[in-house]
Amino acid sequence: DIVLTQSPGTLSLSPGERATLSCRASQSVSSNYLAWYQQKPGQAPRLIYGASSRATGIPDRFSGSGSGTNFTLTISRLEPEDFAVYYCQQYGNSWTFGQGTKVEV
Amino acid sequence: QVQLVESGGGVVQPGRSLRLSCEASGFSIRSYGMHWVRQAPGKGLEWVSFISHDGSNKYYVDSVKGRFTISRDNSKNTLYLQVNSLRVEDTGMYYCAKDQSEYSNAWYSPFDSWGQGTLVTVSS
Repeated sequence: DIVLTQSPGTLSLSPGERATLSCRASQSVSSNYLAWYQQKPGQAPRLIYGASSRATGIPDRFSGSGSGTNFTLTISRLEPEDFAVYYCQQYGNSWTFGQGTKVEV
Repeated sequence: QVQLVESGGGVVQPGRSLRLSCEASGFSIRSYGMHWVRQAPGKGLEWVSFISHDGSNKYYVDSVKGRFTISRDNSKNTLYLQVNSLRVEDTGMYYCAKDQSEYSNAWYSPFDSWGQGTLVTVSS
């Protein structure tokens, strides 16, 4: 099974700052089948980035990059509504999630 | 719009069973692979099970193989998860989720819609 390791565990930033979240895979992710999800307290996860593009309705301050075993989600300028937990997921060989990165104020 | 509504969770003793349901609206599940994903209290997401759009392929995480069974009733636009021989470690919120790509028979698609979840608590 492919294991995904996210870092850091917690990212403490202020609105307007840039957030860089990392996701490292234990083996190469097939065809870059890597997605990112956002989850706020008491809510279901929401697809942010997948299939190499932003999901419907996601603002362009969110961007995904990477290949092979190293992937990054960047939020260019944090808005108050962006403070949440973010999970990466690989879907190229079964499905696995990383343990999450909490972006907090 | 797309909506997924889970039900069937509850408090049960170890070893007992439940049937979770996920009723879909705004789209036809017969065209999409569907998943169950769970989240233990205060923990991360864990993929549990997948059923292909036509029901021909079913996959499970190792920890639930032989105990959980995924199924679908396309005429009712509903996904199910039969959970048997429940363990304390099965406690959590169970979400159903929809593949982004149509006619998926295995992986290669992220999950673009999620329900709000149904809570399963296994405790003696």
